[in-house]
Amino acid sequence: AQSVAQPEDQVNVAEGNPLTVKCTYSVSGNPYLFWYVQYPNRGLQFLLKYITGDNLVKGSYGFEAEFNKSQTSFHLKKPSALVSDSALYFCAVRDDSSNTGKLIFGQGTTLQVKP
Amino acid sequence: DGGITQSPKYLFRKEGQNVTLSCEQNLNHDAMYWYRQDPGQGLRLIYYSQIVNDFQKGDIAEGYSVSREKKESFPLTVTSAQKNPTAFYLCASMSGGSGVAFFGPGTRLTVL
Repeated sequence: AQSVAQPEDQVNVAEGNPLTVKCTYSVSGNPYLFWYVQYPNRGLQFLLKYITGDNLVKGSYGFEAEFNKSQTSFHLKKPSALVSDSALYFCAVRDDSSNTGKLIFGQGTTLQVKP
Repeated sequence: DGGITQSPKYLFRKEGQNVTLSCEQNLNHDAMYWYRQDPGQGLRLIYYSQIVNDFQKGDIAEGYSVSREKKESFPLTVTSAQKNPTAFYLCASMSGGSGVAFFGPGTRLTVL
């Protein structure tokens, strides 16, 4: 079965420092991976995706993610965190077992950036 | 929130009532989805529809029903059979080409 895991419930980082939010996945074929961000009481906003190609994917708001096939990971990164980056982050994989486009989400990681 | 609207923003339900959550999109997407969000559990799929007049159950469909009579609309009914309906409900649509899901702003349902 396809799955996504986000091993950290919360990540704390000081403003200006680099941040990493971890994600590991399990799929039967080629992975289609996504990162979304959610601010309180709002819907999810798309940040970036990996379908194929370069292992370093650049997305919105200065975020990037590194795809590592051998470690089955897709960690979200940003070189310099902002207080406004504080939010809930979800990693997701597309369920291609049924060709429905369904997304399977991780549990979410709360990012807290302190001034 | 990407051309998807959900209403109402907040909804209160009494025991034994059915309530309907609205989801409308103007993105011309074929596929639409309903997710339920509970703290610490991520998003779980309730129902999805890939085309008008067709829909399938997701992972937690019991106590819910949907319809897809128009491409733009995918309403979700939370029936009295759903024993623990208090949650944040998110609707999404997807373009088949990009594979990116666009989410609405959500409806927070509370059972009184």
